[in-house]
Parts: sequence; C-alpha cells; structure tokens
Amino acid sequence: GEDVEQSLFLSVREGDSSVINCTYTDSSSTYLYWYKQEPGAGLQLLTYIFSNMDMKQDQRLTVLLNKKDKHLSLRIADTQTGDSAIYFCAEMGPDSWGKLQFGAGTQVVVTP
Amino acid sequence: DGGITQSPKYLFRKEGQNVTLSCEQNLNHDAMYWYRQDPGQGLRLIYYSQIVNDFQKGDIAEGYSVSREKKESFPLTVTSAQKNPTAFYLCASSILFGATSSGANVLTFGAGSRLTVL
Repeated sequence: GEDVEQSLFLSVREGDSSVINCTYTDSSSTYLYWYKQEPGAGLQLLTYIFSNMDMKQDQRLTVLLNKKDKHLSLRIADTQTGDSAIYFCAEMGPDSWGKLQFGAGTQVVVTP
Repeated sequence: DGGITQSPKYLFRKEGQNVTLSCEQNLNHDAMYWYRQDPGQGLRLIYYSQIVNDFQKGDIAEGYSVSREKKESFPLTVTSAQKNPTAFYLCASSILFGATSSGANVLTFGAGSRLTVL
C-alpha cells in the first residue's frame, strides 16, 4: 500500500516557527491534507493543498509541497501553547474513491 | 450545530464480548468512515460507506462489522474475533467523493471512542 511518513516528535519554543515534515510515496496523489488532534479528541482539518500547487498560505499556516521529492511541510508561524497537539499528514490518490491515507502523526510540544 | 456524535466516549469490554460503537451525523453527508488509532501509528481505515445499505472493507476490517441502514448512522461492532481491540476509534463523514466543487474530500471527525479490553 501507499505510505505516508512523519517524524514522531517536535519540540518548539513559544513564539518560534514550527515546521512539520511529511513524505509520501504515491506520486499520483491528488490532494494532501494537514489535520490537528488535541488530546482525547477527534481530528480537525487545518488545511489541504491540491497537487498542482506548490504553496498555500492561511494566516499563520504555510503549506509547501515539493511534488518531485514527494515532500509536504506545514509551517506554523509564532507558535503558541495552544498549538501543542498531534499533527497528521494525509494524502488522497486519484483512484482511492475519497479515502485518505494518514501518517503516524507528529507530536508537537510548545515550551514557554 | 452540525457535527458527528460518537458514543460512548469510554468503553470497557471483557474478552469474548461484542461491543457496538455508535456514530451519528447531522451534516447530511453521504459518506461515512471508521478509523482505528493506535499510539505511534497512523489512522487505519476499518470500513467505509458511500451510500445507505452499502459499505466496503478498509485495510483492517477483520474482526469488525458495520451497518448503514440510515444516512445519519454508521455503527461499528467490535466482535470477539478482533484479537487486539484496545484502541481509540474515530468516525468521520464527508460529502460523497466527486460531488464537491474543489475535488478535495474533506473529512469531518467525531470526538472518538476509547475501547479498553479488560
């Protein structure tokens, strides 16, 4: 099956920028997503990007897509303690009928 | 407010028992999904349904069963055949794939149900 990989942990100081990285194997992925999960809760969509784009910005969030290297990143500017959560990368392939393939998630811890 | 409601939030089960997790949505979404989450692993798809009275197996369907008798409801039964059922279970829904103007399939998730086998 197709794989989505992320590093498991990131520690960042409050006020700094966070960069969460993700790699995927399906070169035909059509959409890539970032979801956020707070403790004991479901996943909340942060943003998504179409595969023919290389960047998308939404307030403090910037998504970069390098399709050649199959690398996706999420940058959070001015990281706050409320940004502490698990961040999941996911991809949707063209023949997946809408099903998403998720990575293992990156635990982000924001320290004062 | 529209959303997805999962119940119960916490459930304890003895070995050999079947349990059913409830998932109800009032978003008028056609598609519904069940995912399993284990620590350090991504979400793995158990079952999904794109229309009432129809559902398909996901990547880890063994030991689970579902039904889709109503558009709003997609209950998951964890049977005694599931060898390692302790996990966090997430239900999600979306507009039917291909029906959105953007083409993206945006999933809305419930708050999850944590099942522990004693």
